[in-house]
Amino acid sequence: DSGVTQTPKHLITATGQRVTLRCSPRSGDLSVYWYQQSLDQGLQFLIQYYNGEERAKGNILERFSAQQFPDLHSELNLSSLELGDSALYFCASSSQAGGPGANVLTFGAGSRLTVL
Amino acid sequence: DAKTTQPPSMDCAEGRAANLPCNHSTISGNEYVYWYRQIHSQGPQYIIHGLKNNETNEMASLIITEDRKSSTLILPHATLRDTAVYYCIVRVESAGGTSYGKLTFGQGTILTVHP
Repeated sequence: DSGVTQTPKHLITATGQRVTLRCSPRSGDLSVYWYQQSLDQGLQFLIQYYNGEERAKGNILERFSAQQFPDLHSELNLSSLELGDSALYFCASSSQAGGPGANVLTFGAGSRLTVL
Repeated sequence: DAKTTQPPSMDCAEGRAANLPCNHSTISGNEYVYWYRQIHSQGPQYIIHGLKNNETNEMASLIITEDRKSSTLILPHATLRDTAVYYCIVRVESAGGTSYGKLTFGQGTILTVHP
């Protein structure tokens, strides 16, 4: 158990639907990151939050959005789902805001999304 | 971030040392080398990082050449549970406003440990 909790572990839904993935970072970690891993794209950075504020964006689609709440948990919302959105979605957290340790991430077990 | 090059796959016998190379010839002075691994469909796991000195922790050792253009991750006594994809990532040290944690995972090296 890495200390980063993601729910649900598995999710099957239909095209056009909307889902929400949830992440609780390790206790005390202020930064939360979302990554997507699909078979053809590999691990890709989506978005980062630090203490409730968006800090960086990757190639996140406009149909996707995220937020980090005051209790530091984060949610990734995926809407108008397409077949190509089927992937593993990982959340990660880090404890440091600067220095080389800021790139030391602890990942959760992931949420596997299947869009039919 | 500097580009990294890793062999697509490697094999290792259980109990032997696994030496995973990474080339990062365009690395700049303020870029660190990070290693992560991902066991099948699990979340990536941080292993070790370094700047220019050799580093060792409970999981592995990291050897960085003097010119910093390449590095080697060493798993001293590989076990079957070390079978995974190993990613070498070069990333600048975070500074104020820098998007730290935005790691670029390449294809990595698939390490297979055999009994």
